[in-house]
Amino acid sequence: KAGVTQTPRYLIKTRGQQVTLSCSPISGHRSVSWYQQTPGQGLQFLFEYFSETQRNKGNFPGRFSGRQFSNSRSEMNVSTLELGDSALYLCASSATAQGPYEQYFGPGTRLTVT
Amino acid sequence: SQQGEEDPQALSIQEGENATMNCSYKTSINNLQWYRQNSGRGLVHLILIRSNEREKHSGRLRVTLDTSKKSSSLLITASRAADTASYFCATDEGTGNQFYFGTGTSLTVIP
Repeated sequence: KAGVTQTPRYLIKTRGQQVTLSCSPISGHRSVSWYQQTPGQGLQFLFEYFSETQRNKGNFPGRFSGRQFSNSRSEMNVSTLELGDSALYLCASSATAQGPYEQYFGPGTRLTVT
Repeated sequence: SQQGEEDPQALSIQEGENATMNCSYKTSINNLQWYRQNSGRGLVHLILIRSNEREKHSGRLRVTLDTSKKSSSLLITASRAADTASYFCATDEGTGNQFYFGTGTSLTVIP
């Protein structure tokens, strides 16, 4: 099976712009979670989607949003980028509808905001 | 804020030695998982232990969980240079895939 894929792998944006990141889960996986990783804050949960519905949401401002499509692919969008949004954004997919949840992570998208 | 705290923050050992890292968390959990991350790349799932389990093995990995102390430890035996990575514990306490990750332990195995 192909693993979790994320596109693009690297991205440079200017403050104030918006960005959309994409994640394709492992075939058959219906849950997709997003995480932000920074040196200062570590790994922080953004949100999780299951069957096109947002099931959980972390403590991030409304500038961070996401969605999931019927084929389980997911996108996250960050509007009005700030310098502090520079981070590695990781997507993870999971097969099970109920716990315990073993997550499979993609390689990440490294976003740099200048 | 993060749920877990790993200790030590950094660990350097010789190849062949054992490496032990610890994770403490704050609230009651359903499960605890350990992940490995190589140099700013994606995380790789290592092992999952449920809240009603006390010990689990997988190859050279041994994980223990003490829910009364809200802590877990990961032991890597007979370490190899390829084990050099950052190791994170992750806990889930509610429904769905909302995980809280610890701060991570950076392990360096010297050949």
